[in-house]
Amino acid sequence: GENVEQHPSTLSVQEGDSAVIKCTYSDSASNYFPWYKQELGKRPQLIIDIRSNVGEKKDQRIAVTLNKTAKHFSLHITETQPEDSAVYFCAASYFGNEKLTFGTGTRLTIIP
Amino acid sequence: DTGVSQDPRHKITKRGQNVTFRCDPISEHNRLYWYRQTLGQGPEFLTYFQNEAQLEKSRLLSDRFSAERPKGSFSTLEIQRTEQGDSAMYLCASSSPLGGNEQFFGPGTRLTVL
Repeated sequence: GENVEQHPSTLSVQEGDSAVIKCTYSDSASNYFPWYKQELGKRPQLIIDIRSNVGEKKDQRIAVTLNKTAKHFSLHITETQPEDSAVYFCAASYFGNEKLTFGTGTRLTIIP
Repeated sequence: DTGVSQDPRHKITKRGQNVTFRCDPISEHNRLYWYRQTLGQGPEFLTYFQNEAQLEKSRLLSDRFSAERPKGSFSTLEIQRTEQGDSAMYLCASSSPLGGNEQFFGPGTRLTVL
């Protein structure tokens, strides 16, 4: 089955700086890679996703890149703000088997 | 509220008791998923329905766990003879092929087994 590894487990960044979280996956059939943000005690919320037919996707301060050859994908947050503090999870799945396999999460802390 | 809802939000039970959780997906979503999340970990897949058909069950789902979605709308997850190791957050998500299979999560049911 799919295995998703996520690094780092914790990340502290000065407000205004950029944050990068990296994930690797094992199943070359995976072709859908979402990122979820989970604040303490709340539900995971989808913030951005990418499909294997593109290499990069941006949405305002958030971007995701995908390297299919190396089987890794990354989340980039620019101009970080205190409200970006949360746990971020990457995940992978493929069409025809939509269950998500999640990484272990990254606790991001934005230092004012 | 048109999002995914779950009931109850919290459940405390004694070891050996049975518990049942309910999930109401977004109304036009035909796919429904159950995940389990323990502290400091990502959600782990348990089972998945397309309409009323249960298409896949994880090996994590022991014989004490059963899930149903009888009319293709809401779903229930029952745990029989609960054990302390069942303590976790049980998350439900739903998706639609028309929405690119993006999964939207409910608030979860936090189960504590004493």
